[in-house]
Amino acid sequence: KQEVTQIPAALSVPEGENLVLNCSFTDSAIYNLQWFRQDPGKGLTSLLLIQSSQREQTSGRLNASLDKSSGRSTLYIAASQPGDSATYLCARMDSSYKLIFGSGTRLLVRP
Amino acid sequence: NAGVTQTPKFRVLKTGQSMTLLCAQDMNHEYMYWYRQDPGMGLRLIHYSVGEGTTAKGEVPDGYNVSRLKKQNFLLGLESAAPSQTSVYFCATGRDYEQYFGPGTRLTVT
Repeated sequence: KQEVTQIPAALSVPEGENLVLNCSFTDSAIYNLQWFRQDPGKGLTSLLLIQSSQREQTSGRLNASLDKSSGRSTLYIAASQPGDSATYLCARMDSSYKLIFGSGTRLLVRP
Repeated sequence: NAGVTQTPKFRVLKTGQSMTLLCAQDMNHEYMYWYRQDPGMGLRLIHYSVGEGTTAKGEVPDGYNVSRLKKQNFLLGLESAAPSQTSVYFCATGRDYEQYFGPGTRLTVT
């Protein structure tokens, strides 16, 4: 069974800290790897998408990496802010364009 | 340009009742998906469609049916609701490698 695991399940950091969220997956034959943000009671916002041929993507203070050989992806958030508080979900897409999600990391950035 | 919309936003059902959730998109995407999200979990795929008139089962299809009679609409039906179907339901559309999500429907079955 294809699985996606996110560690840690929850994280609390003081404002300004750099942090890393981890995502691991069991099947290296991925099409792409996506990171989403979800605010409480809201839908999903796409943050970064890494194609299988890429190793990383950057957007502002966010950087996502992909290592297919080890089945791992990381989301790096620089200089965290209280507005970054949300749940972060990673999802792998297979060759039939279906997404398989991890359970998410709940991030709290304390002022 | 509304993107992806879902109707209704909230619903409370009694066990055994039926209902249909509507997903509509104006992005002209071929692919459409229905997911459910339970507390503390990621999204799980219920059913999906790769084009008008086609549907396929996802990871958790039992208790649900779907129809894609028009390209822009994807309907999710619950014929006989059960408390285990209490969840938040998300619709998504995609052109292949990327999916765009609706705001969700919060369903409670008592």
